Amino acid sequence: DTEVTQTPKHLVMGMTNKKSLKCEQHMGHRAMYWYKQKAKKPPELMFVYSYEKLSINESVPSRFSPECPNSSLLNLHLHALQPEDSALYLCASSRALRGNTEAFFGQGTRLTVV
Amino acid sequence: AQTVTQSQPEMSVQEAETVTLSCTYDTSENNYYLFWYKQPPSRQMILVIRQEAYKQQNATENRFSVNFQKAAKSFSLKISDSQLGDTAMYFCAFIIRGSTLGRLYFGRGTQLTVWP
Repeated sequence: DTEVTQTPKHLVMGMTNKKSLKCEQHMGHRAMYWYKQKAKKPPELMFVYSYEKLSINESVPSRFSPECPNSSLLNLHLHALQPEDSALYLCASSRALRGNTEAFFGQGTRLTVV
Repeated sequence: AQTVTQSQPEMSVQEAETVTLSCTYDTSENNYYLFWYKQPPSRQMILVIRQEAYKQQNATENRFSVNFQKAAKSFSLKISDSQLGDTAMYFCAFIIRGSTLGRLYFGRGTQLTVWP
């Protein structure tokens, strides 16, 4: 199983809503990532988890709240988002940070904030 | 600073032809991995090919091969016998080996269109 599974695939939410994005992998990877991607741009790193601990927060606004309940799961909790937060949110995993092998990406969640 | 430059925002090629996508990068580190990722309209980022910087030999994966010039910090991707399914955005990226940050540095991408 070399898949990273993200749910939902599409999400439309109002600015006052609270929602969560989910990411799951069963490859035994110990590093997991959230990226934000705008149209025709490269992914921008948001958060990195290593062994279930937050390793990097790229100065992301607090309306985005990551959570890593266990080594297979990564969540991104969303609250009070702005229309400019509309984007594709990609989850990725890799074996470990120090291993520095390739990252495997999920299909993303297309988020629209109205 | 770590940077990746893809100087071709868009390219097109006819089916069955060969196309080369350019990538240059900058880092003061000596040990790193380089990647080409493909992102079709389905949105998933798919690893196309990987090169370890300490290896002289250019990586190949079926129709995909790279020309890695470490001194020039150049890492181009050649796609032979182009297929319609190769239509996608292609991102060049690298990661520092041994870094605890796990950060991938991406270029801005090249949109490749394969015409029948």
